[in-house]
Amino acid sequence: EAGVVQSPRYKIIEKKQPVAFWCNPISGHNTLYWYLQNLGQGPELLIRYENEEAVDDSQLPKDRFSAERLKGVDSTLKIQPAELGDSAVYLCASSLGSIATGETQYFGPGTRLLVL
Amino acid sequence: TQLLEQSPQFLSIQEGENLTVYCNSSSVFSSLQWYRQEPGEGPVLLVTVVTGGEVKKLKRLTFQFGDARKDSSLHITAAQPGDTGLYLCAGSNQGGSEKLVFGKGTKLTVNP
Repeated sequence: EAGVVQSPRYKIIEKKQPVAFWCNPISGHNTLYWYLQNLGQGPELLIRYENEEAVDDSQLPKDRFSAERLKGVDSTLKIQPAELGDSAVYLCASSLGSIATGETQYFGPGTRLLVL
Repeated sequence: TQLLEQSPQFLSIQEGENLTVYCNSSSVFSSLQWYRQEPGEGPVLLVTVVTGGEVKKLKRLTFQFGDARKDSSLHITAAQPGDTGLYLCAGSNQGGSEKLVFGKGTKLTVNP
């Protein structure tokens, strides 16, 4: 079974430029998560989707970040404009159900973003 | 805000040694998970503990959840170079919030 797929794996951009990350979750997984992982830190949740609905986006900086999950499958995370402090790893994860039901989250390899 | 403190932050040992890493919080968690993350990859779930005092074993790894469900430990017996990685603990809280809170991790290096 294929795991969570993310692209690109690496991205280098100049500040103020836009950038987008793509995630394809494991087939059949209704819940999708985007996390931010800074160097030397654990992942921090940005947004959680149940199918196509964003059910928790309280940690998403909405002035520059946006996300969508059309048709409840693939998802994209966008930053516009990017700032130096956005340099980090952006992880996507998916699960069959939710934490409350004890479902396991499966993480993708992440997209490493460097903003110059 | 619930915080998980992990210690030590870094650990470098020789192959065959035993080690224990800790995950502590002042908050109660309904469940706690341990992940291992290798460079360039996402975290991979090792175990979930849900009952206070629970002990789970996974080959040479032993996980314990504190009686009060505020802390956890991971013990590795006879560490091997393949155990090298970042060990993260993550807790989910009570009350229906379906958010995992991660610690900063313990970076383990096992030298041959």
